Amino acid sequence: GAVVSQHPSRVICKSGTSVKIECRSLDFQATTMFWYRQFPKQSLMLMATSNEGSKATYEQGVEKDKFLINHASLTLSTLTVTSAHPEDSSFYICSARFPTGASTDTQYFGPGTRLTVL
Amino acid sequence: AQSVAQPEDQVNVAEGNPLTVKCTYSVSGNPYLFWYVQYPNRGLQFLLKYITGDNLVKGSYGFEAEFNKSQTSFHLKKPSALVSDSALYFCAVRDPRGSTLGRLYFGRGTQLTVWP
Repeated sequence: GAVVSQHPSRVICKSGTSVKIECRSLDFQATTMFWYRQFPKQSLMLMATSNEGSKATYEQGVEKDKFLINHASLTLSTLTVTSAHPEDSSFYICSARFPTGASTDTQYFGPGTRLTVL
Repeated sequence: AQSVAQPEDQVNVAEGNPLTVKCTYSVSGNPYLFWYVQYPNRGLQFLLKYITGDNLVKGSYGFEAEFNKSQTSFHLKKPSALVSDSALYFCAVRDPRGSTLGRLYFGRGTQLTVWP
């Protein structure tokens, strides 16, 4: 149990285009999902917290209009990188909070999406 | 403010030997602590967590971690390392007060290399 998937696993796009990344919790419902960005050999940087049915909470310094997050259902959150530029190239990872109803919930992570902007 | 420190960027150990990956934390109140492992070009896999109770927590793949409140540490250990354990390991702490919706604060990661 507690499986999180991401799609696509790898995407290459031209500068100026938009890219959508999907994060799904396959066998549980997740009211809260998180989006991270990871640079090579570095830790994860939290970009935003996504809550089903409400607006995402973005971390300081993350552009809301550039990284659009939609959490339309209890099993799906999407991250859209709008007007992508080469500096947006990175490894994007989502996680979903497994809802045991306690504050001790564990986050389970997707396999990540490698975005390369040419 | 919550923070996690992993003082070693790299840990090298011979197969069969015990391994330790260090983690110290700073958090207000009682911490919720986690260890995750990441293989190349993959997401993070949950290994274990400490919430309360026994200070020695057992997790996946033979790993365990010891919570030490006086030293504010949560070191990851394994009695006998395998080559397949080679990966990037992250320690994380969660704000137990819940106001931040369960966000995790990650250390910078420790690359573990186990040589045959």
